[in-house]
Amino acid sequence: QQQVKQSPQSLIVQKGGISIINCAYENTAFDYFPWYQQFPGKGPALLIAIRPDVSEKKEGRFTISFNKSAKQFSLHIMDSQPGDSATYFCAARVSGGSNYKLTFGKGTLLTVNP
Amino acid sequence: DTEVTQTPKHLVMGMTNKKSLKCEQHMGHRAMYWYKQKAKKPPELMFVYSYEKLSINESVPSRFSPECPNSSLLNLHLHALQPEDSALYLCASSQERGLGETQYFGPGTRLLVL
Repeated sequence: QQQVKQSPQSLIVQKGGISIINCAYENTAFDYFPWYQQFPGKGPALLIAIRPDVSEKKEGRFTISFNKSAKQFSLHIMDSQPGDSATYFCAARVSGGSNYKLTFGKGTLLTVNP
Repeated sequence: DTEVTQTPKHLVMGMTNKKSLKCEQHMGHRAMYWYKQKAKKPPELMFVYSYEKLSINESVPSRFSPECPNSSLLNLHLHALQPEDSALYLCASSQERGLGETQYFGPGTRLLVL
């Protein structure tokens, strides 16, 4: 049972464009939603995270939009650069509990063409 | 400093070998994790240690044996592995509760079982 659905599976964007990756979740107990960026051969690195008490969080070129009623959240990368080419994973978890499990989406391979 | 280190970076072993993967963090985190990641897939949780005690075992085969010697170190002992165990093995850490929900990942150990 996949609890976090991520789309698209792959995305090609031109340099300077906007990259948008979407995730939808089913478990209403989730209350922490991080995005990880992973380059080939490296471990995932936390990019940005949000809690459901805010609808948007921005850090530099990266913005998370969160829609609690729709159980959806998305990552927007403004002014996309070739160096942003990586795999992006959304994730979700129930914070503060004894279960530390992050539920990951299946990932989106982003390619930014120069 | 949000660094998690892992050694070795690469490991090739035969099915009869015994080897160990090592992970270290100095962020004062009290939860540490082992993940397995296959190509083009999200990380899969294997084990979670909380305060140096095993709190989650995601039904991992006994040929994988975790150990947490102290709050900064996490080992994964490997014995009689199968070729299908070839993957990127990731270590992560986080604070146990409160604001520290973020899991920080190491660079991983690329394991090849022949």
